[in-house]
Amino acid sequence: SQTIHQWPATLVQPVGSPLSLECTVEGTSNPNLYWYRQAAGRGLQLLFYSVGIGQISSEVPQNLSASRPQDRQFILSSKKLLLSDSGFYLCAWSVRLGTRMQLAKNIQYFGAGTRLSVL
Amino acid sequence: GIQVEQSPPDLILQEGANSTLRCNFSDSVNNLQWFHQNPWGQLINLFYIPSGTKQNGRLSATTVATERYSLLYISSSQTTDSGVYFCAVPIIQGAQKLVFGQGTRLTINP
Repeated sequence: SQTIHQWPATLVQPVGSPLSLECTVEGTSNPNLYWYRQAAGRGLQLLFYSVGIGQISSEVPQNLSASRPQDRQFILSSKKLLLSDSGFYLCAWSVRLGTRMQLAKNIQYFGAGTRLSVL
Repeated sequence: GIQVEQSPPDLILQEGANSTLRCNFSDSVNNLQWFHQNPWGQLINLFYIPSGTKQNGRLSATTVATERYSLLYISSSQTTDSGVYFCAVPIIQGAQKLVFGQGTRLTINP
């Protein structure tokens, strides 16, 4: 069965420090990978989306970047954290589908999340 | 892009009560998912339901695609049902990116 691992679970970092959050998926190949942020309150905002190694789509302008050095590894980074980067970061995966019919059934599965506090 | 609205934003109930959560979307969809975010933040898949009705224990969901809404029913609520419930649909039909509603925060009191 497929599993998704995300770490660390919590992180407290000073303003201006670098960031690296890691997400790995097991039990599947060629997944789509996603990074979301959930600010205090409620909604999930898609930050980055990847369909393959080295292929990253940035959804919103921001202080963060993402990389996919291996097929099942997705990393969220920053060179210098801002206060506004605080939040709950979630990694997700879905099966990479081919046909139009398959594309419809894009079920995303989430990791446990990383709670980041920038002080 | 597609807009997703959930109602009510907050719901407080006593244990044993039934509840109905609603998700409206502004355009045709061929994919709709319901999630439960527990108090620890974990997002748990509840239903993949682009149309029709599905049931899983005390939970059931119905999507009426032609009228652009989906309903999540929770019967005989338990305190463990507390959390935030999200619906999500593709950003455009057939896309592999989802847009989430703002969620319904459900609190079940003992």
